Amino acid sequence: QKEVEQDPGPLSVPEGAIVSLNCTYSNSAFQYFMWYRQYSRKGPELLMYTYSSGNKEDGRFTAQVDKSSKYISLFIRDSQPSDSATYLCAVVAAGGFKTIFGAGTRLFVKA
Amino acid sequence: DAMVIQNPRYQVTQFGKPVTLSCSQTLNHNVMYWYQQKSSQAPKLLFHYYDKDFNNEADTPDNFQSRRPNTSFCFLDIRSPGLGDAAMYLCATSRGRIEKLFFGSGTQLSVL
Repeated sequence: QKEVEQDPGPLSVPEGAIVSLNCTYSNSAFQYFMWYRQYSRKGPELLMYTYSSGNKEDGRFTAQVDKSSKYISLFIRDSQPSDSATYLCAVVAAGGFKTIFGAGTRLFVKA
Repeated sequence: DAMVIQNPRYQVTQFGKPVTLSCSQTLNHNVMYWYQQKSSQAPKLLFHYYDKDFNNEADTPDNFQSRRPNTSFCFLDIRSPGLGDAAMYLCATSRGRIEKLFFGSGTQLSVL
């Protein structure tokens, strides 16, 4: 079993739609949760970082963590064509250093 | 702008011919990482440096080595590249052990 699982997609939505991206993880030792965005042929860049269950909002992005079910979500409101990218969820254990990534969900937002 | 810079962006090598990938940072971060990412797969941590302390992942092949001569630079050496080593190699930095990662644009390695 992979430590972090994501649906690879692709997910295709019209501009303006609300996007829901989801991720599960296997080990309750993971205490820090992140979402990275990766454009084609580029390195990932951090979108959201949280360490507690519940919601965290930043502009059009909301990260949601449910530690009891080991489930992580990212919601994108008013999606734009520029949001077209691969979204990677990531987890870190309390000891730190090792960020473990999911394989990513590829998102296409059509104008 | 402070950043993580990887050179070259694209590298072609021959089967078995040693290759070195480089990474530099202007962020003055303590931790530097090397990740391997194959097509449509998750980035996989190879090793990291916390200052001068080197930490190798248990499943990183012996074929992969790293050097960090100073805070700003880190190198990935692949001693005898095989076809399975063709991938994007990503360098990242962080201030500490539980901090967000700052990535370079990666080096796409092809092995012929």
